[in-house]
Amino acid sequence: EAEVAQSPRYKITEKSQAVAFWCDPISGHATLYWYRQILGQGPELLVQFQDESVVDDSQLPKDRFSAERLKGVDSTLKIQPAELGDSAMYLCASSLRYGLAPSTDTQYFGPGTRLTVL
Amino acid sequence: RKEVEQDPGPFNVPEGATVAFNCTYSNSASQSFFWYRQDCRKEPKLLMSVYSSGNEDGRFTAQLNRASQYISLLIRDSKLSDSATYLCVVWRDGGYNKLIFGAGTRLAVHP
Repeated sequence: EAEVAQSPRYKITEKSQAVAFWCDPISGHATLYWYRQILGQGPELLVQFQDESVVDDSQLPKDRFSAERLKGVDSTLKIQPAELGDSAMYLCASSLRYGLAPSTDTQYFGPGTRLTVL
Repeated sequence: RKEVEQDPGPFNVPEGATVAFNCTYSNSASQSFFWYRQDCRKEPKLLMSVYSSGNEDGRFTAQLNRASQYISLLIRDSKLSDSATYLCVVWRDGGYNKLIFGAGTRLAVHP
């Protein structure tokens, strides 16, 4: 079964440092999502791509977070500088295509990157 | 007030018990509804979609009441392997279409 790949699985960094996470969606999936999940809460969407274009980044803290999907396949999420409050699980998900009925466009999640900021 | 609210749990039940989770949503523009399951320190996985007519998948039954903006999940004959966090998820339609997750309800099934 095809899976969403993410790396690294775990990252420990000190505040004010830069961190980057990588995601490779399921082959053929045009839509890619980055979520942040703080312990005890549900995932919250940070940014959504359709191919290489950003569809929604309304919840992305743009002063320190950036995301790109240059060739419309894999994606990188960067935080610079990291803050203590950024400690969370960062989940990547993919689905076939934005605009499909949600009942037919299931989002598949990767294993996540657990970030700890000291 | 959060857009999707769930019983916080945890629910501690013996094997074989029936357990029900409740969820309410505040945005009446929501069109589609789901339950996701998330094992400890793992990614969320789709458990089932929720339809107005109610739907069943083996031991799991999901119900939707649009008038009350209420969603439920019933698990019958609980198994140890059902232990997980159950996330209520709403597809918000209009503007930025996206999934809105509840905080989840943790279930622990014990022997």
